[in-house]
Amino acid sequence: QQQVKQSPQSLIVQKGGISIINCAYENTAFDYFPWYQQFPGKGPALLIAIRPDVSEKKEGRFTISFNKSAKQFSLHIMDSQPGDSATYFCAAIAGAGSYQLTFGKGTKLSVIP
Amino acid sequence: DAGVIQSPRHEVTEMGQEVTLRCKPISGHNSLFWYRQTMMRGLELLIYFNNNVPIDDSGMPEDRFSAKMPNASFSTLKIQPSEPRDSAVYFCASSLLAGAKGEQYFGPGTRLTVT
Repeated sequence: QQQVKQSPQSLIVQKGGISIINCAYENTAFDYFPWYQQFPGKGPALLIAIRPDVSEKKEGRFTISFNKSAKQFSLHIMDSQPGDSATYFCAAIAGAGSYQLTFGKGTKLSVIP
Repeated sequence: DAGVIQSPRHEVTEMGQEVTLRCKPISGHNSLFWYRQTMMRGLELLIYFNNNVPIDDSGMPEDRFSAKMPNASFSTLKIQPSEPRDSAVYFCASSLLAGAKGEQYFGPGTRLTVT
């Protein structure tokens, strides 16, 4: 059972545009939602994360929006750049002391000049 | 810091052969994870070690897979015998604290191809 559903599977955005990736979860015990960025040939790297007690978190051009009642969260990349081209994974984890990250299937983002 | 180190980066082997993947976690990290990544199933946790002790191996597909962590700076994932369906990218990750939410540092991965 896939507990974190991610969409779209792939995304093409023009340079300077806004990239939006959406995730939905089912397990209400999830209490921490990180996003990972993966470049070809590399391992995933933590990009930004949010807890459900806030509705938005911004770090530079990257923003997470969180809707607890809808059990949805999304990543917005403002002013998208070709260097942002990568695969993005949303994830969720539950409970104090937890280690089990549940990943979405990933979104391959291509930013074209 | 060198980050998580994995070797080899690429491995091509024939069905039935034994494969050993290696990982050196970040110094000082006491949690280590092995993941498998495929197009169909995405990222799957295979096994989790804390302080060199296997805590959760429920993700290990079957008895052909085994993992060890003889000390804090080294871990292996072994597949014996290997099968074509084991072809995937295998990642090792480490974190500073058990339950350090989301703060897992991934290595570059080993791309395994079993023919």
